[in-house]
Amino acid sequence: EPEVTQTPSHQVTQMGQEVILRCVPISNHLYFYWYRQILGQKVEFLVSFYNNEISEKSEIFDDQFSVERPDGSNFTLKIRSTKLEDSAMYFCASSETSDNEQFFGPGTRLTVL
Amino acid sequence: QKEVEQDPGPLSVPEGAIVSLNCTYSNSAFQYFMWYRQYSRKGPELLMYTYSSGNKEDGRFTAQVDKSSKYISLFIRDSQPSDSATYLCAMSELSEDDKIIFGKGTRLHILP
Repeated sequence: EPEVTQTPSHQVTQMGQEVILRCVPISNHLYFYWYRQILGQKVEFLVSFYNNEISEKSEIFDDQFSVERPDGSNFTLKIRSTKLEDSAMYFCASSETSDNEQFFGPGTRLTVL
Repeated sequence: QKEVEQDPGPLSVPEGAIVSLNCTYSNSAFQYFMWYRQYSRKGPELLMYTYSSGNKEDGRFTAQVDKSSKYISLFIRDSQPSDSATYLCAMSELSEDDKIIFGKGTRLHILP
């Protein structure tokens, strides 16, 4: 069964450093999303992406964040200068259409020291 | 008032019991309602979804939506230890590229 994959599973970084989280969505999907879950808190929407541009973003997704689909398979989330409060699980999701059946990846745990 | 409210638990029930998980919401524009299951250190997995008020059944799981009360439920019959996980309700307005708003999740423990 096709699935969303994410790498790395765990990323540790120093405050102020740049990180890139990688996702490979399901191959025939056209809509891509990033969510995050701070430990003990709810899953929060960050950004949606379609047709090579951002469709919607939350107030969490400030200028420190960017997304890119550099090729036909990868979807990346970049955090330019990490802060302690960026420590969270980051989930990538994809869907075939905009009918909201989003399939989630296993997540990348980001720890900012 | 938060958009989606969900009791975080933990909820512990004996194996075989019927489990009832609930969420309330404030946004009357929500039209699409989902339940996700999340095992520890894993991503959310879609369990069930529904567009309308009423019940939807899938095996041991029943999702119930009451739009007039802004209240949704997930029932698990004949609960198993493997059902132990965090269950997240989620909903969206169904506009194009719409984001999903998640509840905080309820931690469920099924005791053997």
